[in-house]
Amino acid sequence: GQQLNQSPQSMFIQEGEDVSMNCTSSSIFNTWLWYKQDPGEGPVLLIALYKAGELTSNGRLTAQFGITRKDSFLNISASIPSDVGIYFCAGQRNNAGGTSYGKLTFGQGTILTVHP
Amino acid sequence: KAGVTQTPRYLIKTRGQQVTLSCSPISGHRSVSWYQQTPGQGLQFLFEYFSETQRNKGNFPGRFSGRQFSNSRSEMNVSTLELGDSALYLCASRAGYTDTQYFGPGTRLTVL
Repeated sequence: GQQLNQSPQSMFIQEGEDVSMNCTSSSIFNTWLWYKQDPGEGPVLLIALYKAGELTSNGRLTAQFGITRKDSFLNISASIPSDVGIYFCAGQRNNAGGTSYGKLTFGQGTILTVHP
Repeated sequence: KAGVTQTPRYLIKTRGQQVTLSCSPISGHRSVSWYQQTPGQGLQFLFEYFSETQRNKGNFPGRFSGRQFSNSRSEMNVSTLELGDSALYLCASRAGYTDTQYFGPGTRLTVL
């Protein structure tokens, strides 16, 4: 199925470092969402973006909706050990035919490891 | 407000059997979407229900079906299980006026 191109696939960083990851697509999306998933659990919503150019923060997390509507990035500042997990971007496309109802398209995920 | 709940959390079945998974959305949310997550394919959309109607369906065989009840609770059924159906099945709910989906903890299905 269609996937967003998410990079990097994995990151190994030291506690305190900043992290940046991004998602790109050849298609336009109307909503971008960022999730974090711990092993064996469901994805937890971190940030939701609804407008092109929007920059939104949630604590140490900052995400932006690309101007072209085909990309988004997520930054984590001053990482801590509990930031460990898999981060997913997801996009929602809307169309007049309604064939995108409730359908999120996901990136392959970025595995983040934080060394104390 | 309570989050999305899914039952059971774990299931072990054998090939050829069928299985039913349950999802209770966040109170007030009328849309429920289902996803399959596997290491190879990632998160793939199965279908979406809104007000007891299936509005959208992903590229999965007809063995995968679902329904939604008047209280917005949803069930997903997989018939004639295959080994490849082993996965984490996730449901997500959203309020009808927003695209933001909130996920449950998932049901881990293992097919032997």
